[in-house]
Amino acid sequence: GEDVEQSLFLSVREGDSSVINCTYTDSSSTYLYWYKQEPGAGLQLLTYIFSNMDMKQDQRLTVLLNKKDKHLSLRIADTQTGDSAIYFCAERFPSGGYNKLIFGAGTRLAVHP
Amino acid sequence: DSGVTQTPKHLITATGQRVTLRCSPRSGDLSVYWYQQSLDQGLQFLIQYYNGEERAKGNILERFSAQQFPDLHSELNLSSLELGDSALYFCASSPVSGGPGLDRNEQFFGPGTRLTVL
Repeated sequence: GEDVEQSLFLSVREGDSSVINCTYTDSSSTYLYWYKQEPGAGLQLLTYIFSNMDMKQDQRLTVLLNKKDKHLSLRIADTQTGDSAIYFCAERFPSGGYNKLIFGAGTRLAVHP
Repeated sequence: DSGVTQTPKHLITATGQRVTLRCSPRSGDLSVYWYQQSLDQGLQFLIQYYNGEERAKGNILERFSAQQFPDLHSELNLSSLELGDSALYFCASSPVSGGPGLDRNEQFFGPGTRLTVL
């Protein structure tokens, strides 16, 4: 099946950690991605994780992958007001000889002082 | 700035009309993807072209068509427009075909064209 689910909204205080969660359904996914969309802008790739990894850290970003539960999370340490945006989880899996990207509905992160 | 450009930025038109959205990929990228982002459907993949040829199709309506030209820019044509076609249309480009394999197929998104159908 092709379904990526995310909670729609998250509110955090500046300086705290944010954790955005995502579940996906296709176990044949090869890569999973996190994209960020700021108001009025296109999607920007933040980070990705290959399916044989459990964790990936990139500066303030930590991605955790639980393949058994098909659960992906993005942790943003020391969240800043500039992190306010919509975050999309996406999975890439083979379909018809090619790879498709399926996106979740996006989680709107609001950072308040 | 991703290096992907889209024109126009905004488009307002009436039901029944036809419009063309244009995308220029990043220099050197051979793949172009089109997505539709609406409030009720989220981000939906429409179609992919690789080096001038259609490579993959998603949830693209028959009223919609696309092509990729020899200079690699792409156009998305939307005809017989309906109110429900109002959305943000994104183009993304990638250096790879997205075929079988383990390349991570990073896609670089343009700023989008906001289409409003009245």
